[in-house]
Amino acid sequence: GNSVTQMEGPVTLSEEAFLTINCTYTATGYPSLFWYVQYPGEGLQLLLKATKADDKGSNKGFEATYRKETTSFHLEKGSVQVSDSAVYFCALSRPSNQGGKLIFGQGTELSVKP
Amino acid sequence: TAGITQAPTSQILAAGRSMTLRCTQDMRHNAMYWYRQDLGLGLRLIHYSNTAGTTGKGEVPDGYSVSRANTDDFPLTLASAVPSQTSVYFCASSDSPNQPQHFGDGTRLSIL
Repeated sequence: GNSVTQMEGPVTLSEEAFLTINCTYTATGYPSLFWYVQYPGEGLQLLLKATKADDKGSNKGFEATYRKETTSFHLEKGSVQVSDSAVYFCALSRPSNQGGKLIFGQGTELSVKP
Repeated sequence: TAGITQAPTSQILAAGRSMTLRCTQDMRHNAMYWYRQDLGLGLRLIHYSNTAGTTGKGEVPDGYSVSRANTDDFPLTLASAVPSQTSVYFCASSDSPNQPQHFGDGTRLSIL
């Protein structure tokens, strides 16, 4: 079946530190991959996406590369800010012929200290 | 600002009572979804609708029902609430089923 596994949180970093949040997936076919971010008290917002192998999604200094050989989509940022404190969700989209719905990881809480 | 509106923002409900969570989108998206978010479990799909007039069951549909009478509205009903339905509920929409989803701000529901 299809599933997404993220590293457990919470992750606590100092401002300007390097961030990696690991995400691996299991899927049949060729899913699209997403990272969503949830700030306190809000809904999820799309952060970045990649639709095929070796694609790199990027937004607001965050990057993730679709690695088919390792079935991974790790989220990275070179220098985090306090404002990046949030919960990050990795997700995959099943192909349309499998219903096309998103499957989410359990979320990783990031806390950035000044 | 275009987007998804959920109501109410929060609610405390006695067990056994019924409740309808409202969701309206103004983006003319074809697909809509209801999720529940529980600590350590991420988001789990309750029900979805790929287009107006159709609905389908997600991972955790028991105890919930939905309808999709038009493109914009996708209400979620709890016919007889139980404490295990205490959760934060998110409505989402997308242009088509495998496209990025847009989320509302959620409804925090407590069943006592």
